[in-house]
Amino acid sequence: QVQLQESGPGLVKPSETLSLTCTVSGGSVSSVGYYWSWIRQPPGKGLEWIGYISYSGNTNYNPSLESRVTISVDASTNQFSLKLNSVTAADTAVYYCARRAGLLSPFDYWGQGTLVTVSS
Amino acid sequence: SYELTQPPSVSVSPGQTASITCSADKLDNKYVCWYHQKPGQSPVLILYQDNKRPSGIPERFSGSKSGNTAILTISGTQAMDEADYYCQAWDRRTAFFGSGTKVTVL
Repeated sequence: QVQLQESGPGLVKPSETLSLTCTVSGGSVSSVGYYWSWIRQPPGKGLEWIGYISYSGNTNYNPSLESRVTISVDASTNQFSLKLNSVTAADTAVYYCARRAGLLSPFDYWGQGTLVTVSS
Repeated sequence: SYELTQPPSVSVSPGQTASITCSADKLDNKYVCWYHQKPGQSPVLILYQDNKRPSGIPERFSGSKSGNTAILTISGTQAMDEADYYCQAWDRRTAFFGSGTKVTVL
C-alpha cells in the first residue's frame, strides 16, 4: 500500500520561499510510469494542481504558477519536494502530494495534506 | 486556462439518486475523473476514465459523459456520501479541477 506524507514549515513569511517534502513509502519515486504531483487547496476553496515530476525527473507546472515553482526528487530518500518562491497570503493553503500511475491517469494516492500559512 | 463548471450544491434525500454535472469545452475528447472529499480529509478517487471505479468504491457511484458534460451519479445515496465532489480533467498536460459540488443528504 503506497503512502505519502507531507512535511515542512506551517508558517512562511511573505516574499519568502515555501518548501515542502513528500515522503513516499510502499513504492519508489523511481518506478517507471509514475508521476508525483503537488496540489493545493486554500481554506474553504477548491483544488489547484501545482505541478508534477515524473519517474525520470521530467517536470511540468501549472502555467499560473510556473515562474515561482520548482519540484525536485531525491531517489536516495524516496522523497520529492516543492519550492514556491515569493509567497503571498494568496498562497495560504493545505498542500497535498499525490501520485499518478501514468501520464493522463488520475491521482490515486494522496497524502494527508499540510496547512501552510503565509503571514508575517 | 481550462474551466470545468460544476453546480455549487446538490441536495438529496437518503436512498434517492444524486446527479452532479461537470461541463467544459471539448470535454468529449478528454477523460474525466471524480473525487470526493469529506471535511478535514484528503480527496479520494471514486471514478476515472469517465466511468471506471477503483477497487473498493461502491457500485452506487457511476459516471457517464454526453458531449461536453460529464455526470457523476450516486444511486441510493447514503448519509456517508455527504461530501464535496470534484471533477478533474487534463488539458495540454495541465490538470484542472472543477470548482466542486457540495452534496447534502437531507
